[in-house]
Amino acid sequence: AQKVTQAQTEISVVEKEDVTLDCVYETRDTTYYLFWYKQPPSGELVFLIRRNSFDEQNEISGRYSWNFQKSTSSFNFTITASQVVDSAVYFCALNPADNFNKFYFGSGTKLNVKP
Amino acid sequence: DSGVTQTPKHLITATGQRVTLRCSPRSGDLSVYWYQQSLDQGLQFLIQYYNGEERAKGNILERFSAQQFPDLHSELNLSSLELGDSALYFCASSQAGAGVTGELFFGEGSRLTVL
Repeated sequence: AQKVTQAQTEISVVEKEDVTLDCVYETRDTTYYLFWYKQPPSGELVFLIRRNSFDEQNEISGRYSWNFQKSTSSFNFTITASQVVDSAVYFCALNPADNFNKFYFGSGTKLNVKP
Repeated sequence: DSGVTQTPKHLITATGQRVTLRCSPRSGDLSVYWYQQSLDQGLQFLIQYYNGEERAKGNILERFSAQQFPDLHSELNLSSLELGDSALYFCASSQAGAGVTGELFFGEGSRLTVL
């Protein structure tokens, strides 16, 4: 089965706190891709990152970092020194290589960053 | 700007009516996906086209239909509208398909309100 679970429905933090959004996936494929998307209050979905299953290196982009661990089937997303503009719903997604047409999205985590 | 264009951005109509949502993919992308996002809901995959052909079908109602034209733009037709069809409808495009994967790039969405 292909599935993405984002167990955190909603998280609230105060500005400048670090926050980690969890993503756990299920797949029997050995080759797959993982994604994170951001949906700010304005509604559009913004692509943040794509990671393939053979690359377990953590990635950092400014205040954003991603921790991919195949052993635990997790692809967690950390925002360091959060800002109010980070308030959004964040979606994790899985794209299995056996069917590039399919994207499996998690249910999303709503992040509230308070000033 | 993702490069994906959706029109109209907002649409208000009455129950029983029919509407058409239009999507122009990013230049060079052959795949078009349609997603529905209801209030406080995640992304529900509706349908995907690749180079004019239907490739994958999700939870799309029989009252809904879609097509992708030779110029690669796509239209989602929603008929016999019900109150529950009120949602944000996203189009996304990708290079995915025919053995190639790629991230989804989303349009800004069409917000449909059925009264």
